[in-house]
Amino acid sequence: SAVISQKPSRDICQRGTSLTIQCQVDSQVTMMFWYRQQPGQSLTLIATANQGSEATYESGFVIDKFPISRPNLTFSTLTVSNMSPEDSSIYLCSVERRGATYEQYFGPGTRLTVT
Amino acid sequence: EDQVTQSPEALRLQEGESSSLNCSYTVSGLRGLFWYRQDPGKGPEFLFTLYSAGEEKEKERLKATLTKKESFLHITAPKPEDSATYLCAVQAASGGSYIPTFGRGTSLIVHP
Repeated sequence: SAVISQKPSRDICQRGTSLTIQCQVDSQVTMMFWYRQQPGQSLTLIATANQGSEATYESGFVIDKFPISRPNLTFSTLTVSNMSPEDSSIYLCSVERRGATYEQYFGPGTRLTVT
Repeated sequence: EDQVTQSPEALRLQEGESSSLNCSYTVSGLRGLFWYRQDPGKGPEFLFTLYSAGEEKEKERLKATLTKKESFLHITAPKPEDSATYLCAVQAASGGSYIPTFGRGTSLIVHP
């Protein structure tokens, strides 16, 4: 398994500001993932963060709005820029383990409210 | 496009009342199907991976089964602590991406 921590656990922000979410993993991983989970909705993948290269964004998500850093194999940040109330959501960091089986682990999430 | 549909959206059970949650999927070749448990205010917790039709996995009161079109999560004699949202996800065999597609989940409440 993997132990993942996120900071902050929750925040209330004003529209137009930016928030950076940190994700720390207890072991080295190749890929880290950032998801968004809105109430009553499924998990939506924002981007995949690879160490040493630019993040790969899913359709509907752009780097200017959600810049990602991946400085090493255990850490990543996601910034939500120029926030609006529509960005209110839970943001989750995730890692995968590929071996005899495929497993995916998630952090505790960051609950963001934009007013 | 890969699709995952979970039913019911919400389920209320009395303690000890066994039931099943359904996950129907459409995918261009199944690499794996995953079940997660998510408690309020927390991230999803990995439960099971299933790879082929007929496969079953068990953990305490939970048993996951897989057919070619759907998966069931059977909950036997549930307890209030089993209350959570249960998420299903599928991973396609085609293409280079391993990234799973998630369903919306089933919210389970078990009353004492």
